[in-house]
Amino acid sequence: KQEVTQIPAALSVPEGENLVLNCSFTDSAIYNLQWFRQDPGKGLTSLLLIQSSQREQTSGRLNASLDKSSGRSTLYIAASQPGDSATYLCAKKEGAGSYQLTFGKGTKLSVIP
Amino acid sequence: GAGVSQTPSNKVTEKGKYVELRCDPISGHTALYWYRQSLGQGPEFLIYFQGTGAADDSGLPNDRFFAVRPEGSVSTLKIQRTERGDSAVYLCASSTQHGANYGYTFGSGTRLTVV
Repeated sequence: KQEVTQIPAALSVPEGENLVLNCSFTDSAIYNLQWFRQDPGKGLTSLLLIQSSQREQTSGRLNASLDKSSGRSTLYIAASQPGDSATYLCAKKEGAGSYQLTFGKGTKLSVIP
Repeated sequence: GAGVSQTPSNKVTEKGKYVELRCDPISGHTALYWYRQSLGQGPEFLIYFQGTGAADDSGLPNDRFFAVRPEGSVSTLKIQRTERGDSAVYLCASSTQHGANYGYTFGSGTRLTVV
């Protein structure tokens, strides 16, 4: 069974710090990996999508990387702000013909003013 | 529409009742997915539609759960004889071509509480 693990489960940092969220997966077969943000009581907002042929994607203060060989992805957030406080989820898509996403449980981030 | 719309946003129902949850995907998205997210967990796959047909319903937990998409656009997830364990956030997503290039767009979800 595919597993996606996110560590830590929760993270608290002071405003302005740079931080890294981790996502690891047990099956090296991967088509793409997507990072989402979830605010309390809300749905998922897509942040970044990395195809298996790519090593990283950037959007503003966010940078996501993918290392297939080690089964890891990281989400780097620069100069964190209180508005970044949310739960961050990564989700793996196994193959081109696959349609299921396998999600991790998420990392709950709190940015303290 | 501009995004995936789900209604209602919240639903409280009594154990044993029947509920319907609605999803209106992004216009032109042929693929539609239902996921269920329990407290403290990541979303788990329930069912996938390509057009009007359910291409994969392997994630539905049992025969109390059923979903339709009669015209290839709006989808309804139906739960019969609800149980307290059905309480969760039900998320709908849509995409083009299995999310190959642009990923998946999720709605805000329906929070179902069975009392």
